[in-house]
Parts: sequence; structure tokens; C-alpha cells
Amino acid sequence: ETGVTQTPRHLVMGMTNKKSLKCEQHLGHNAMYWYKQSAKKPLELMFVYSLEERVENNSVPSRFSPECPNSSHLFLHLHTLQPEDSALYLCASSLWTSASEQYFGPGTRLTVT
Amino acid sequence: QQQVKQSPQSLIVQKGGISIINCAYENTAFDYFPWYQQFPGKGPALLIAIRPDVSEKKEGRFTISFNKSAKQFSLHIMDSQPGDSATYFCAASQTNTGNQFYFGTGTSLTVIP
Repeated sequence: ETGVTQTPRHLVMGMTNKKSLKCEQHLGHNAMYWYKQSAKKPLELMFVYSLEERVENNSVPSRFSPECPNSSHLFLHLHTLQPEDSALYLCASSLWTSASEQYFGPGTRLTVT
Repeated sequence: QQQVKQSPQSLIVQKGGISIINCAYENTAFDYFPWYQQFPGKGPALLIAIRPDVSEKKEGRFTISFNKSAKQFSLHIMDSQPGDSATYFCAASQTNTGNQFYFGTGTSLTVIP
């Protein structure tokens, strides 16, 4: 595997479920990001991690809980989500948070019923 | 307040024609302006990027024009091909403050044969 991978690619969950999204980067990068992509809206930055330390949390509801156990892996734990949370969740990585280029994974299409 | 405004929302171009997508930004401290290309089912991929010290950057059929005084930049796709049909996002960031990217809302480009 190369680049940034995300699993699962599709997820349907009820409002009372707990699930997790996984991201793995094989690029030797030190910064990882979670974005939310909704139709006709700009990509929304949710969380930023640098060397496993959270450096940015853009006012994201607590029903989204990130975890970065090492610089190659990033998780997004989901619980008691709302239908408006349905979106494409993208993971990205960059060499450092100050590096220009971010590399994106294919995303997880989440549907909350 | 949306930091980066992108237009048009959708664009249909004949094969061989020129596709032009425009973006405007607010923050004069932004110093990195990438364009991303996203195909269905894939994450955004960096296409071309520019810094404000130049007014134009060309890579193959793709050109960024940058107008610092007007706080605008645009993507030109020359000799547009059906394989260019995708969604294009502009973005802006201030790399010395943690590199948070502010994205436009995207332009869906369709190139018809």
C-alpha cells in the first residue's frame, strides 16, 4: 500500500451506534488531518495532529473523537451522531504542519440514519 | 466568513476548449495557493500550486494566473479533455502559522466530446 489509505470506504450507522474510521499513511509524514466534505460546501478542517499531538480542533462536536497512536495512524471515533453528520470524511497527511502539500486519502462515505 | 470564494459552481466545456475557474481570497497573509482535482470516489489530489511571488505558473495544460492586488487567482485548463472531467478545488493557506488550508466550494467540470 502506498499513499494514504482509509477504511472503511462506506459506512452506514444509526444515531445510537459507535463506530471508528481509520486512516493510515505510508509516506513517512509527521502531520495528519481529518476533514469533512459536504456537498456544495468547502472542505472543513476538523482536527490536526503533529507527531501524535493534537494541534488543532476546529470547534468540532464532542461526538467526534480523534485518536493518533503514532504518526502513521489516525482514527476518528464516532458516537451518537446526527443525520447532518452524513458526509465524506477525508484523511490527509503532510511532512510537517508547515509543509505545503497535503496528500489525501480516498475518504469514508458516512451515512447516519 | 468564507475565506476563499470559488466560481463557477459548475462548468461545461467542449473538448479542446479552455476551462477557467476563478477564486478570490480575503486574507493577505496567505502565501500558498494550490488547486486540487477530485474524481468521484477519490480524495482530492494536488494539481498545481503557486506562491504570491509569481503571477503565473504553468504545468502542461494547466496554468495558474495570480493577481495579488486583486486577491484573485484562477486555473486555466487548455485543450480540455473528457478525462479532465472532475471537481476542482482552490485553496489558500498561510504556511508559517500551521498551514491550515481554506478551501473553495469546488467547481464541477464536465468536458464533452
